[in-house]
Formats: sequence, structure tokens, C-alpha cells
Amino acid sequence: GQNIDQPTEMTATEGAIVQINCTYQTSGFNGLFWYQQHAGEAPTFLSYNVLDGLEEKGRFSSFLSRSKGYSYLLLKELQMKDSASYLCAVMDSNYQLIWGAGTKLIIKP
Amino acid sequence: SAVISQKPSRDICQRGTSLTIQCQVDSQVTMMFWYRQQPGQSLTLIATANQGSEATYESGFVIDKFPISRPNLTFSTLTVSNMSPEDSSIYLCSVRTGDGGEQFFGPGTRLTVL
Repeated sequence: GQNIDQPTEMTATEGAIVQINCTYQTSGFNGLFWYQQHAGEAPTFLSYNVLDGLEEKGRFSSFLSRSKGYSYLLLKELQMKDSASYLCAVMDSNYQLIWGAGTKLIIKP
Repeated sequence: SAVISQKPSRDICQRGTSLTIQCQVDSQVTMMFWYRQQPGQSLTLIATANQGSEATYESGFVIDKFPISRPNLTFSTLTVSNMSPEDSSIYLCSVRTGDGGEQFFGPGTRLTVL
């Protein structure tokens, strides 16, 4: 079956760095997405990785290793507004998005 | 990018009634999807809305319960039929511009069934 695993919840301190991991097993691979979702709102796109390596976009970076079925989202200089759920999703061989359950990130002052 | 609007943004409905949710996109898109997200859960794909033909439903979802229309490349509706409290959820319209393209989400419709 297809499976996406990510931690349920993480806590970090304002100004610090946090890494949210995602491992996956899917039938085929056409890219991995990270989305941010604030409570009561729709998910918003953060990043897309299809090749191995690190993609940096401001305070957020995303890493992919296809051979290991592994990705992480790195958030630097954390701000209180970064408190949200972070969803990992993999596009399979049929171009369907397989969603993880999301990681709830709590930022403390 | 694509800008997506949904109507209504929220509703409270009685058991046994039906609600139709509208999704409007500001540009023509090839792929439109309807998702459900229950509190504290991740996204569950209900169906892919196909322009000019019947929607493709995921396992556990049927056309009689969730009829979908897609008359053109910018608009779709999802009806939640014969509602029960278990249908209380956020319903999200989502679009993708191409096979490998980024996927965008509408603001969602928060449905409560009493």
C-alpha cells in the first residue's frame, strides 16, 4: 500500500530552527510537496521537490532523497505565525497526491 | 497560480437535507478535485471532477451521496446528499494546472450537520 509518515506534533521555540521529517512508500514518484495549513484555513503551497537535494526558499528549505524515500522541511528563524500544520504529500505514478496526516508545529515564545 | 473561491464558506444543516458547494477558478484548469478534511485529520480525496463527463470517485465515496458537476474548465459543484452528522467536515476544492503542476486549494466550506 501507499504510506506517508510524519510526526504528529512538534514543539519549537521562537527564533530557533526546526526540521519536520517525512518518509514515504508509494507506487511511483512524481514529486513531493510540502503545504502549510493554519487552523481553519486551506492548505497553502510551500515547496515542491522532484530531484534529490535541497531547495531553499527564504526561511524555508526542503530536502529530498528519493533512494531513501525521505524528505524534510526545515524552518529557520521561527516566528509565532509559523504555528500551523505542515502536510507532506507525494505524487504517485498516476499523478495522484498521497497525503500525510500532517505535523502540528507549536511555537513557544 | 490559480485563485479559487468557494460558496458557501460555511453552513449549518439539518440531517436528511442536501447542500451544494460551488467552486469557481479564475483560470481554466485541467484537473479539479474535491477533498474532505475532518477535524484533526489530513485531506481525503472524494473525487476528481471531469469536465463533460462523470466524476471519478475514490474508494468509499459514491455518486449518489456526493454528486459532482463540472460543466466547464473553471467551475464545479459538489453536493452532499441526505446529510448526517458524520458528514460534518471541511470540504475543499482543489485544482492542478497540469500533471506535474502545483496544486492549489480553495478556502474550504465548513459544514456542520445537526
